[in-house]
Amino acid sequence: DSGVTQTPKHLITATGQRVTLRCSPRSGDLSVYWYQQSLDQGLQFLIQYYNGEERAKGNILERFSAQQFPDLHSELNLSSLELGDSALYFCASSVDPSGRNEQFFGPGTRLTVL
Amino acid sequence: AQTVTQSQPEMSVQEAETVTLSCTYDTSESDYYLFWYKQPPSRQMILVIRQEAYKQQNATENRFSVNFQKAAKSFSLKISDSQLGDAAMYFCAYGSSNTGKLIFGQGTTLQVKP
Repeated sequence: DSGVTQTPKHLITATGQRVTLRCSPRSGDLSVYWYQQSLDQGLQFLIQYYNGEERAKGNILERFSAQQFPDLHSELNLSSLELGDSALYFCASSVDPSGRNEQFFGPGTRLTVL
Repeated sequence: AQTVTQSQPEMSVQEAETVTLSCTYDTSESDYYLFWYKQPPSRQMILVIRQEAYKQQNATENRFSVNFQKAAKSFSLKISDSQLGDAAMYFCAYGSSNTGKLIFGQGTTLQVKP
């Protein structure tokens, strides 16, 4: 158990819908990362937050947005869902935003868009 | 932009034998970190080993060791005395020192034969 929790574990929805994925980082970790793992794109970095502020952005679609709240949990919002958004979404956390610290990954949320 | 390449989609090793997984990367940064992550069928991402780019000494963790060749931008993982539990997908990852975001290779599926 990494100490990072993600809810829900599985999500099945239809095209055009909107969903919210939730992540609670390890106690004491201020930095949160979101990654997407799909068959055709592999593992991709989406976005990073540190202590409530956006720190780095990767290949995140405009239909996707995220935020980190004062209690440090983070939410990833996916809207106007398409079939290609079906993937495993990971949240990871670390103590600070530098690369020197290990990122601890949550179990992931498997999103299926029908 | 940084890239990570794993040229071996699949590898196979006999139990108790040694196997080496290859990884190359490209970057213009001088300060960075390299990681190997293991993803078993449960899909949980587990850190296997990490290497700081400024350290010349190769990292080791029990049966796992790396061969870090900075000039060649090569970062291979050696697994000694392979065990059935080592069967998994292995990802090589580049960690930016500034942001900490991870850039992953395509992954290598390791099969361990009894």
